[in-house]
Amino acid sequence: GAVVSQHPSWVICKSGTSVKIECRSLDFQATTMFWYRQFPKQSLMLMATSNEGSKATYEQGVEKDKFLINHASLTLSTLTVTSAHPEDSSFYICSARADRDQPQHFGDGTRLSIL
Amino acid sequence: DQQVKQNSPSLSVQEGRISILNCDYTNSMFDYFLWYKKYPAEGPTFLISISSIKDKNEDGRFTVFLNKSAKHLSLHIVPSQPGDSAVYFCAAKVTGGGADGLTFGKGTHLIIQP
Repeated sequence: GAVVSQHPSWVICKSGTSVKIECRSLDFQATTMFWYRQFPKQSLMLMATSNEGSKATYEQGVEKDKFLINHASLTLSTLTVTSAHPEDSSFYICSARADRDQPQHFGDGTRLSIL
Repeated sequence: DQQVKQNSPSLSVQEGRISILNCDYTNSMFDYFLWYKKYPAEGPTFLISISSIKDKNEDGRFTVFLNKSAKHLSLHIVPSQPGDSAVYFCAAKVTGGGADGLTFGKGTHLIIQP
């Protein structure tokens, strides 16, 4: 149980385009989903927390207009990297949690490369 | 600054022996700690957790120890098996607050040698 699917797993696109990443909880309802980013040889860094039906809470230093998060249902959250530039190239990974007493379960991540 | 530190980037252990992975933290507000295991090209998988009201939690071959005064926790795996070879992440959070995302360490790559 507790499967989280993330799609796509790898994206290469030109600078200036927008990229949407989907995160789905397949066998449970996720009241809260989290988006993390990992640069090479660094730890996973929390970008934002989203609760179903409400606006996401962004961590300090994360631009909410650049990283648009939508959590429209209890099984789906999306992260859209708008007008992506090479410095946005990173590994993005989502997690989902049924409730506060449950651990977060992670997707397999998305490798984003902006040319 | 790194609030959760895993100072050993890698650890090599012989099959059948005990693996001990260490983690230190600096934020005294952290009150819930988790260990995740990650294989290449996959997301982290939850292993075991511990609340700050406990000093030990055991689940099969995995035991997590928490020393609050030293702000230190460790994961013991015994006996170690080849399938345990992976990167292990220590994570911590503050429960009860509005934002409860996880703060991760950089991970320790555990290699189990036959």
